[in-house]
Parts: sequence; structure tokens; C-alpha cells
Amino acid sequence: ETGVTQTPRHLVMGMTNKKSLKCEQHLGHNAMYWYKQSAKKPLELMFVYSLEERVENNSVPSRFSPECPNSSHLFLHLHTLQPEDSALYLCASSPNPTINYGYTFGSGTRLTVV
Amino acid sequence: GENVEQHPSTLSVQEGDSAVIKCTYSDSASNYFPWYKQELGKGPQLIIDIRSNVGEKKDQRIAVTLNKTAKHFSLHITETQPEDSAVYFCAASGTNAGKSTFGDGTTLTVKP
Repeated sequence: ETGVTQTPRHLVMGMTNKKSLKCEQHLGHNAMYWYKQSAKKPLELMFVYSLEERVENNSVPSRFSPECPNSSHLFLHLHTLQPEDSALYLCASSPNPTINYGYTFGSGTRLTVV
Repeated sequence: GENVEQHPSTLSVQEGDSAVIKCTYSDSASNYFPWYKQELGKGPQLIIDIRSNVGEKKDQRIAVTLNKTAKHFSLHITETQPEDSAVYFCAASGTNAGKSTFGDGTTLTVKP
């Protein structure tokens, strides 16, 4: 167990569906991140949260909507997705958003949009 | 913004041999360089990191070297074992603290 838990592990959704991805960490970290990992592409940063406040939206389409209700939980709400949004979505956390530290990643949610 | 290039994209070695993966970065202000290992079905796991005030760091069979002048850093794995087979990512972080830019990854295969 890495300390960062993501659910569900796998998700298949239609283009008109609405679903949410959940991430939870109990490491006492103050920064949380959403990354997208597609085949043959580098990890793409989507959102950064620092102490529950969104500090970065990396030009992500509005069909992806993040939510951070507290420093331990992070959600990614999905609606009207496209097939090209199929990917592995990774949540990560780090101790301090203002100092460079390594990330602790979850195992990811494998999303398939049909 | 930061740009990280990683080579090679695939690497196959015989068990017991050494493996070297190289990365270059573009932003001279970058000061933190982590390496991650991703096994099948799992998220990336931090295996070693180095900060810009250090030229080399070693942890058992794994070492990382940093050349700030040339803006490149490398991962060295000695006495490779089949369980070292995975995808390895380098990353660089700098002025935007807490935000890492990743390389494309190297798929390492260790043949028994």
C-alpha cells in the first residue's frame, strides 16, 4: 500500500455519463495532484491543490472538474468525456507545496470512455 | 516551461549487467531531480532523488548523477535483477515548487 488510495481501479463510462474518481491520502501531505498518463505520452499534469486550494489548472478542458474538500481527499468529476480521454488517471501527494519533494502516487484509475 | 528528455525509450540487459538511463532538462533553475519506477498495474514509485547541490547519490544498487553545467542527470542500476524490469521516469522540478515535469519513460527489461 503506497499511502495514496484511488478508487475505482477501473472505470468504463459512456460519453454522456457523469462519474467521479476519488483519491485519499493519510500521509499528512499538504499538496495533491491529478496526472493523466496516456500510452506513448509523458505524464501530464492536470491540477495542483495546495492546502485544499487549487493553485494550478494546466489548461484542462472543463469536462474535468476537480474538488478538494479537505487536505486528505481529492476528487475528479467527469462529464461528457470523449474517447481520447481514455487513460490512466493518477493521483499524487507531496509533503509541502512550496518545497520540492518526491511524489507519492496512487495506483491510478484506468478509465475507458466508450 | 521546463522540458525533460529521456533516453533510451527501451533498454534490455542481461541479469547482472548494469543499466544506465539519461535525462536532460532545459530550465537551469531546476533544482530537484527524482526518479520513479512504475511496475505493471501500479502507480510510479519514487526510488531515488537528487538535489542540485549534490553531484551524486547512491542507494544500494541504484545511483544518480547530476551535471548541472550540462543540464543532464542519469540513473545507474548495477547488478540488475529481473525484478528491476519496469518503466523508469525521470523528472525535474524548479521554480514552480511542488510541480514536476516528467520524461517520457524508459522500459527496462532484465533477462534472466
